[in-house]
Amino acid sequence: QVQLVQSGAEVKKPGASVKVSCKASGYTFTIYSITWVRQAPGQGLEWMGWISVYNGNTRYAQNFQGRVTMTTDTSTSTAYMELRSLRSDDTAVYYCARAAAAIYDSWGQGTLVTVSS
Amino acid sequence: DIQMTQSPSSLSASVGDRVNITCRASQSISTYLNWYQQKPGKAPKLLIYAASSLQSGVPSRFSGSGSGTDFTLTISSLQPEDFAIYYCQQSYSTLAITFGQGTRLEIK
Repeated sequence: QVQLVQSGAEVKKPGASVKVSCKASGYTFTIYSITWVRQAPGQGLEWMGWISVYNGNTRYAQNFQGRVTMTTDTSTSTAYMELRSLRSDDTAVYYCARAAAAIYDSWGQGTLVTVSS
Repeated sequence: DIQMTQSPSSLSASVGDRVNITCRASQSISTYLNWYQQKPGKAPKLLIYAASSLQSGVPSRFSGSGSGTDFTLTISSLQPEDFAIYYCQQSYSTLAITFGQGTRLEIK
């Protein structure tokens, strides 16, 4: 069955960077894109961007331009999301999801990133 | 960016009730509209895609309708496990995906 397993919770100081991983299994990794969505405590879903696993093309949401980088490693079927210059309002659960035509049919379990001094 | 507005923001209903949740887009998105369910502490789960297609494994009491700017998620007979937050999402503009703000469905 399709599974996306994310890395564990992180605590970071303001100004630091965080890199979250998302390991896929149960399907051909290169056929689908991976999207990243975050959810601040008690808030809704915020789309961060996507990466085509097939060719590495990326598209980032305007709010994250210049601060986020999404990559994949096809040898390990793992996607990564790095967010830099962290602020307290970046505290959130970060999700990866499998994407086909921007329909997100399988999700990781989420990774809590806490930004605190 | 395309704005997605859900109504109501919260809703109280009883087991067995029929419930409608609406989602309005700020411009026409054809049928590029998806619905997700999220329970506390869990990742969202895809329920409906392309406005009215039921995702595999999702109970048939869930249905979706609409096109253009106005969409509806219907739960025909609420079950205890359906109390959750529901989000719509437009997949028309793949360069700028947007979600609705969510509708919290609570037990009356």
